[in-house]
Amino acid sequence: SQQGEEDPQALSIQEGENATMNCSYKTSINNLQWYRQNSGRGLVHLILIRSNEREKHSGRLRVTLDTSKKSSSLLITASRAADTASYFCATFSNYQLIWGAGTKLIIKP
Amino acid sequence: DADVTQTPRNRITKTGKRIMLECSQTKGHDRMYWYRQDPGLGLRLIYYSFDVKDINKGEISDGYSVSRQAQAKFSLSLESAIPNQTALYFCATSSSIGGWGEQYFGPGTRLTVT
Repeated sequence: SQQGEEDPQALSIQEGENATMNCSYKTSINNLQWYRQNSGRGLVHLILIRSNEREKHSGRLRVTLDTSKKSSSLLITASRAADTASYFCATFSNYQLIWGAGTKLIIKP
Repeated sequence: DADVTQTPRNRITKTGKRIMLECSQTKGHDRMYWYRQDPGLGLRLIYYSFDVKDINKGEISDGYSVSRQAQAKFSLSLESAIPNQTALYFCATSSSIGGWGEQYFGPGTRLTVT
């Protein structure tokens, strides 16, 4: 069973705009991670936020975590064509990652 | 060279055949995982291994088996392949030392069972 649910399932924006993806989960977690997958390839770790953190930044990425609402958001600022990919959240607990179904992001030139 | 490699990258096989997917890593990580991904879905855990002598079933282990031949090698077998095992299979690794459970993925094996 999947722990996380991403919203929206798909997102199409113009290059240069900001993209926001949301993730909700069901149980308590140790941390929450975001990964990117380019078209059928392996997943790449983007950013991790611990359960006692509320916000984290890495380059053009900003992640927030609200443990009271069991939700997280990933913001990509100033999007580029190379950001076109699927983005997955995964919650870490009991030494395992539990994955959401992903958000497919398309950046239009 | 890639830190996590998978062979083969693509495989077409027939129903009832036994098939093995292999994974090797040079990251020195102790933990290894096998996932499958179906279109429009996230990853589902098949098996995981926290060291050579520790192997655990994941969410969807039925129809699969694994072998951890060495710290760097973890193989997945389909004893008798069936069409609904057609999927993209990923191997991943992580370290129990430091870090917070980040996983590192291989490029995937696209398996088609006809």
